[in-house]
Amino acid sequence: QKEVEQDPGPLSVPEGAIVSLNCTYSNSAFQYFMWYRQYSRKGPELLMYTYSSGNKEDGRFTAQVDKSSKYISLFIRDSQPSDSATYLCAPLVTPGDKIIFGKGTRLHILP
Amino acid sequence: DADVTQTPRNRITKTGKRIMLECSQTKGHDRMYWYRQDPGLGLRLIYYSFDVKDINKGEISDGYSVSRQAQAKFSLSLESAIPNQTALYFCATSGITGELFFGEGSRLTVL
Repeated sequence: QKEVEQDPGPLSVPEGAIVSLNCTYSNSAFQYFMWYRQYSRKGPELLMYTYSSGNKEDGRFTAQVDKSSKYISLFIRDSQPSDSATYLCAPLVTPGDKIIFGKGTRLHILP
Repeated sequence: DADVTQTPRNRITKTGKRIMLECSQTKGHDRMYWYRQDPGLGLRLIYYSFDVKDINKGEISDGYSVSRQAQAKFSLSLESAIPNQTALYFCATSGITGELFFGEGSRLTVL
């Protein structure tokens, strides 16, 4: 079993919808959880960074971690065409760890 | 200027040729990484280095080698390129927070 599983999509939703992107992981030692956003032909950039279980909100984005289920989610409210990108999850044991990514989910927001 | 610079940005080569991809960073970070991205497979870690004297294999190191010439420079070599090494290659750095900063990518095509 790969350490981090993520549905590659593509996921197409209409503008204004709530988007849910998800990852599962197998290593119970993961404590830190990152979401990166990658636009076409660009390098990924950090979008959200959380520690342990719970929710973290930043504008229209909410990251949610359920360590008991080894399940992490990224919610996007009021989705915009500019949110169209690939979203990659990356859990870590410590901030100094090497980073293994999920496959990434391609998201298309339809105007 | 970009914090993480990759050269070349695009390269077409033939099977059996030796190729070097170079990466330099101005972030002052100790940690540097090389990832490969293929459609549907996400970002996969090839090699990583936590300081100048530390080199580690990642998920898919076969067929690749690296050199950490200085804190700011980390190069990836393909000793004898083969077509299934055609991919988009990313260099990245990280500091104490663990956040990765990526270059713009190097697109390699092996004919």
